[in-house]
Amino acid sequence: DQQVKQNSPSLSVQEGRISILNCDYTNSMFDYFLWYKKYPAEGPTFLISISSIKDKNEDGRFTVFLNKSAKHLSLHIVPSQPGDSAVYFCAARGWGNQFYFGTGTSLTVIP
Amino acid sequence: DAGITQSPRYKITETGRQVTLMCHQTWSHSYMFWYRQDLGHGLRLIYYSAAADITDKGEVPDGYVVSRSKTENFPLTLESATRSQTSVYFCASTEQDYGSYEQYFGPGTRLTVT
Repeated sequence: DQQVKQNSPSLSVQEGRISILNCDYTNSMFDYFLWYKKYPAEGPTFLISISSIKDKNEDGRFTVFLNKSAKHLSLHIVPSQPGDSAVYFCAARGWGNQFYFGTGTSLTVIP
Repeated sequence: DAGITQSPRYKITETGRQVTLMCHQTWSHSYMFWYRQDLGHGLRLIYYSAAADITDKGEVPDGYVVSRSKTENFPLTLESATRSQTSVYFCASTEQDYGSYEQYFGPGTRLTVT
């Protein structure tokens, strides 16, 4: 059973607008969450992360929000740029340093 | 070259054959991981290693074998390939210091089992 879920397979946003990517998880023992970005034919690259003891982390245009009570995290990209078009994976750190990934959301930023 | 490399990048093999995918990192990271990426499943952990000679199973280890005799290498072997193992395989590494859990991924190996 998928412990980390990204229920939106795709998202389209106009350039300059905000992109919001969502992620839900089921295991309350996850203590660290990460977002990765992936271009076709390349490996994922790290984007931003957040500890479970925080509710927000910001890095430039990227902000991750964590709602532990709802077991939900989101990635906000503002303003969105065409180069942000990629597949985004959320991941969660569980027991024994195992990481669980979501199924990914394909973001398209329309110029 | 610094970083993490995988070889081969593309591989076609037949059912029942043994296949080994190679992964090499130059950072001396203690942790290394193998994932497979499949449509509808995202990335799933196959095996991981906390250090040389220490390996552990992930979510989907059946049909795979790993070893780690040197810190920098983490080969993944499919002992008898099956069509269900057709996938894109990613190797990753990290130092896993507290507060720094980001993994560095290789470019992937696309494996097709016919």
